Amino acid sequence: QVQLVESGGGLVEPGGSLRLSCAASGFTFSDYYMTWIRQAPGKGLEWISYISSTGKTIYYADSLKGRLTISRDNAKNSLYLQMNSLRAEDTAVYYCAGERTMFNGMDYWGQGTLVSVSS
Amino acid sequence: DIQMTQSPSSVSASVGDRITITCRASQGISSWLAWYQQKPGKAPKRLIFVASSLQSGVPSRFSGSRSGTDFTLTITSLQPEDFATYYCQQANSFPLTFGGGTKVEIK
Repeated sequence: QVQLVESGGGLVEPGGSLRLSCAASGFTFSDYYMTWIRQAPGKGLEWISYISSTGKTIYYADSLKGRLTISRDNAKNSLYLQMNSLRAEDTAVYYCAGERTMFNGMDYWGQGTLVSVSS
Repeated sequence: DIQMTQSPSSVSASVGDRITITCRASQGISSWLAWYQQKPGKAPKRLIFVASSLQSGVPSRFSGSRSGTDFTLTITSLQPEDFATYYCQQANSFPLTFGGGTKVEIK
């Protein structure tokens, strides 16, 4: 069955870095556009980054631009998010999500990985 | 950026009730809107895409509609498993944006 499994979250000090991973299975990963979305505790959903199926087109939320790098390895069915200069306000559950058809919203979501930024 | 204004932020309803949730886009997004349901501690699940297309496996009591830049999610005959938070999301352009969410609670 379709699965997206995030990993790499955890507790990190302000100013630190983390690399999140998302392992895909059960579908043709290379056909999907992929997105990272986060949700701060008790808050709504916030889109943070997008990568096209080939990896050639990338977008970031302006509020996070310069601190994020999204990438994918279609041979490994994996999506990544490198996050640098982390701040307390980056504390959230980070979801990866996949979209087969542009403009349709996200078909599949992972279960999320929690990133906590605190000293 | 396109702002999505979702209302109400919460609604109390009983099993069997009909409820309506609205999202208004700050500019035209054609029909590129999706609706999601999220239960506590779980990932969101898509219910509706392209404003009114029902996701496979989603019960027919869920429906979506569009009128200009106003979008509506309707749940007819609310069931116990429908108590959750609902979000709209515009898929027209980057940055993708979500509505603030509507929490559907048991009256």
